[in-house]
Amino acid sequence: DQQVKQNSPSLSVQEGRISILNCDYTNSMFDYFLWYKKYPAEGPTFLISISSIKDKNEDGRFTVFLNKSAKHLSLHIVPSQPGDSAVYFCAASGRNTGFQKLVFGTGTRLLVSP
Amino acid sequence: GAGVSQSPRYKVAKRGQDVALRCDPISGHVSLFWYQQALGQGPEFLTYFQNEAQLDKSGLPSDRFFAERPEGSVSTLKIQRTQQEDSAVYLCASSLAGGAGVEQYFGPGTRLTVT
Repeated sequence: DQQVKQNSPSLSVQEGRISILNCDYTNSMFDYFLWYKKYPAEGPTFLISISSIKDKNEDGRFTVFLNKSAKHLSLHIVPSQPGDSAVYFCAASGRNTGFQKLVFGTGTRLLVSP
Repeated sequence: GAGVSQSPRYKVAKRGQDVALRCDPISGHVSLFWYQQALGQGPEFLTYFQNEAQLDKSGLPSDRFFAERPEGSVSTLKIQRTQQEDSAVYLCASSLAGGAGVEQYFGPGTRLTVT
């Protein structure tokens, strides 16, 4: 049972445009949502997070939006840069998964072309 | 400062062999996590330590998997009698404390291939 879903395995965007990565979840007990970026042969790197009491969090070019009623979150990257090309993982944690344990989606590979 | 380090980076084992994977967390980080990432999948939780105490091992797939962190710092994940389905990248992460929303810092992983 996949509790966190990233239905788009890949996304291609031109440099300077907006990248929108989507994530859906099924467990209403999740309290925190995080986005990680992963380059080949490296571990995931934390990007941005959002608490379930908020609907938006912004950090520079990165903004995460949370729609609790739809159990959906998205990561917006504006403007996209070639260095953003990586695999992006959505992750969640909450009361019934043990707060510390992260439940990850399967990832979306973003390719930003010059 | 130094990040999370893992060794070896790559390990090839013959089916039935035992392997030991090492994780050096960021100094001072209380919490340590192990995840397993199969090809084309996201990381999946294996186990969690707070200092030397293993507080959650619900993700360990079988009793062939064993993790320890005896002094609350370095951790070792041991897999006995490896099977082909154990082939994956094993990721270690650490964080300053436990709790929701606390950022976990990941190491580069150990890629285990069982032949």
